[in-house]
Amino acid sequence: GAVVSQHPSWVICKSGTSVKIECRSLDFQATTMFWYRQFPKQSLMLMATSNEGSKATYEQGVEKDKFLINHASLTLSTLTVTSAHPEDSSFYICSAPTGAGETQYFGPGTRLLVL
Amino acid sequence: QKEVEQDPGPLSVPEGAIVSLNCTYSNSAFQYFMWYRQYSRKGPELLMYTYSSGNKEDGRFTAQVDKSSKYISLFIRDSQPSDSATYLCAMAGGYQKVTFGIGTKLQVIP
Repeated sequence: GAVVSQHPSWVICKSGTSVKIECRSLDFQATTMFWYRQFPKQSLMLMATSNEGSKATYEQGVEKDKFLINHASLTLSTLTVTSAHPEDSSFYICSAPTGAGETQYFGPGTRLLVL
Repeated sequence: QKEVEQDPGPLSVPEGAIVSLNCTYSNSAFQYFMWYRQYSRKGPELLMYTYSSGNKEDGRFTAQVDKSSKYISLFIRDSQPSDSATYLCAMAGGYQKVTFGIGTKLQVIP
C-alpha cells in the first residue's frame, strides 16, 4: 500500500512553545491531506483538511490560528501547534487519500506531550 | 445519534476463534466502507476497503456490507495473538472526508 510518513514520532515541549509536525507521502502525490487528533480511548477526530496551494479547511471547533497548516508541495503538509498547552497533548495523525480518494493511508502518528 | 456506532469492547477471544466486529451507521450517503487496524501508539493501517453491498475476502479477513440495514462487519478467521489491536470501521460519502467508529479493542489470547 501507499506510504505516509510523519516526523517527529514523539515530541515533548514546554507550555507556550510551538511544535511543527511534518506529514509526507513517500510514493505518491497528495493534493489533499487530513490531520486528525486522537485522545486516549477515543476515535480519530478530523481537525482539518490540508489543500496543496490553498488554505486549509478546519472542522468546527478547531482553532485555525492555533493549528497552522501548510501544504507547500504535493508530498508535504505541516501542522504547527502554536503556543502549545497541556490540553493539546494528544496523538496527531495525518492521512492522505489515493486514487479516487475513497481510501486513506495514515502516517504512524506523532505523540505530543506538553508539560 | 452518532453517524457511526461501534462497540468499543474490549473483546477477548481464544486463539483460533472466529472474530466478528460490527458497525452500524445512519448516513445513507456513505458509499465507501473501510476497516483499519491500529496497534497501540501507531497510526491506523488499512485492512479492507469495499464499495458495494456484499462480501469481500482477503486472506483471513472478510468484510461484509449490508447497505439496506446500514450494517458492516469484519470477520477474522483463525485469529492469532498478533491480531490483538483496535479495529476501526470507517466510512465515506465519496468526498474524501472519512467518518470513523470509536474502534473495538480486540485481544486474542494464546
